[in-house]
Amino acid sequence: DAGVTQSPTHLIKTRGQQVTLRCSPKSGHDTVSWYQQALGQGPQFIFQYYEEEERQRGNFPDRFSGHQFPNYSSELNVNALLLGDSALYLCASSSGQRMDTEAFFGQGTRLTVV
Amino acid sequence: GQQLNQSPQSMFIQEGEDVSMNCTSSSIFNTWLWYKQDPGEGPVLLIALYKAGELTSNGRLTAQFGITRKDSFLNISASIPSDVGIYFCAGRNNAGNMLTFGGGTRLMVKP
Repeated sequence: DAGVTQSPTHLIKTRGQQVTLRCSPKSGHDTVSWYQQALGQGPQFIFQYYEEEERQRGNFPDRFSGHQFPNYSSELNVNALLLGDSALYLCASSSGQRMDTEAFFGQGTRLTVV
Repeated sequence: GQQLNQSPQSMFIQEGEDVSMNCTSSSIFNTWLWYKQDPGEGPVLLIALYKAGELTSNGRLTAQFGITRKDSFLNISASIPSDVGIYFCAGRNNAGNMLTFGGGTRLMVKP
């Protein structure tokens, strides 16, 4: 049973560019959440997708957007990259139907903005 | 910014010693979770707590959900070298499924 898979694992982008990160949830999960983890800090919630819609959003600017596909996989898009966007981006999946399932995290995508 | 205060920020202990770390919040949470993160990996769930006052164990790990719903602690007994890593507390409230994380406790174990 594959867990949460994220791609790519590492990425280097130039300031001002745009980036797309991808996530496939754990089998049986239909909800995907994205977190940003700066070096030396805990993860910060970006947003959550369920039934192909953004269900909840954290305190992140509109440069951060996402999408969920019918197969429950998800993308995180960041436009006009800033140096401060350099971080580990984590995807977590869970079940929207069962309140007793907790989030399973992927290994993350390390984004470096230069 | 983060709403959970986690302490200590780091610990360097001898193998075999017991470890205690805690998390406090200015807000009430209905669920407390403890995760461990190894370098280059995502957080892995260790213990989930759903009721105020609940005490739950997972092997050598024990965690409690504070009565006020504003705090939680994690204890690790008889530490071993593979316990090395960063431990995060996380809270969830009725506002949805988003998790609010603490800043982490970095644990180092000397063999």
